[in-house]
Amino acid sequence: SAVISQKPSRDICQRGTSLTIQCQVDSQVTMMFWYRQQPGQSLTLIATANQGSEATYESGFVIDKFPISRPNLTFSTLTVSNMSPEDSSIYLCSAKLRGEQFFGPGTRLTVL
Amino acid sequence: RKEVEQDPGPFNVPEGATVAFNCTYSNSASQSFFWYRQDCRKEPKLLMSVYSSGNEDGRFTAQLNRASQYISLLIRDSKLSDSATYLCVVNLGGGGNKLTFGTGTQLKVEL
Repeated sequence: SAVISQKPSRDICQRGTSLTIQCQVDSQVTMMFWYRQQPGQSLTLIATANQGSEATYESGFVIDKFPISRPNLTFSTLTVSNMSPEDSSIYLCSAKLRGEQFFGPGTRLTVL
Repeated sequence: RKEVEQDPGPFNVPEGATVAFNCTYSNSASQSFFWYRQDCRKEPKLLMSVYSSGNEDGRFTAQLNRASQYISLLIRDSKLSDSATYLCVVNLGGGGNKLTFGTGTQLKVEL
């Protein structure tokens, strides 16, 4: 299995600011993903973080709002830019290893 | 219509009961199917994959009906530790890796 850690585990931020979330996987993985889980909702894929190239974003999510880095096969960051209260959510990093998809513990973001 | 729909729940059942969850998906091209478990304030974890032939893992049995685009999960002899939210998950496949999640069904097993 893959062990995924995220930092920070939670944060409270002011509107208009940005937060960068870090994701570290204990194995080299080809596929890494970022999901959002809003209160009472299920998980929604934001983007696939591609190593060595730009992330692939899902409908409704754009690079300017959610820039993603993937500098190597074990690490990725997601930035939530120019935050508003609607961005309050849990952000989860995910990685696919040997056909199974694992999730990090999530970052609980509250925007005031 | 949602891509993946599940029973609304919550299900409150006594310990030892058998409980079944249902799920339907809208895209007939979907190729792989899973049940994930999510404990309160925790990340989702894979419970089991679902195959057309049906598969069993201890007290858990999963079934897939491609013709009806329907997935089920049966839990026998429920334990208190089974209390969680169960997420039905579908992957379109074809080289893509997008998992589409249902909103989940909450199960609470009581004494």
